[in-house]
Amino acid sequence: NAGVTQTPKFQVLKTGQSMTLQCAQDMNHEYMSWYRQDPGMGLRLIHYSVGAGITDQGEVPNGYNVSRSTTEDFPLRLLSAAPSQTSVYFCASSHLGRRDRGRSNEKLFFGSGTQLSVL
Amino acid sequence: DAKTTQPPSMDCAEGRAANLPCNHSTISGNEYVYWYRQIHSQGPQYIIHGLKNNETNEMASLIITEDRKSSTLILPHATLRDTAVYYCIVRATKLDTGNQFYFGTGTSLTVIP
Repeated sequence: NAGVTQTPKFQVLKTGQSMTLQCAQDMNHEYMSWYRQDPGMGLRLIHYSVGAGITDQGEVPNGYNVSRSTTEDFPLRLLSAAPSQTSVYFCASSHLGRRDRGRSNEKLFFGSGTQLSVL
Repeated sequence: DAKTTQPPSMDCAEGRAANLPCNHSTISGNEYVYWYRQIHSQGPQYIIHGLKNNETNEMASLIITEDRKSSTLILPHATLRDTAVYYCIVRATKLDTGNQFYFGTGTSLTVIP
């Protein structure tokens, strides 16, 4: 059981280049999301999805696109990379909220992160 | 979702209990308190969550005040591996719209040998 897998672990881009950060989960989670983390700051939500074909924006969506064609995969695309997008990116997934004996069972599972530098 | 306030940093001696406070004075009745931690450069890890009753698992205990305006995460016997940033998050369960967890800057806990 691999959990949440992110690739690549490290990436260096030049300004204006495009790339896709991959995220896959094998836990049959309905919900998937992308966060970015800048030095000394907490995680900020970029985009999220509650199921295949459904995506929505988080706090900082500008400059990023996402799609969800399957339950397992949730790629994050940078169409024209900018130095301001230098950050560590985390993918996370969970079941949609449901109650088990009266308690919410929501737990986010995170990938190991992608460190992106844009020069 | 309610906003939380945490001290930016704390120290704890190895082997002692680490008590991490969190204020959430605007919490609503249907909002849960969640704790995650992030060990340097790794993805955050779920620790525990609760609604109004105190909770305990193999990692930690969560004490929520009766008025639910604050809570404390307790690591009963802190080890050096518990050095991490701890995030307190308050949010409601949203059955259809997903789990938008908003992370603040958390508390940086340093366990001292």
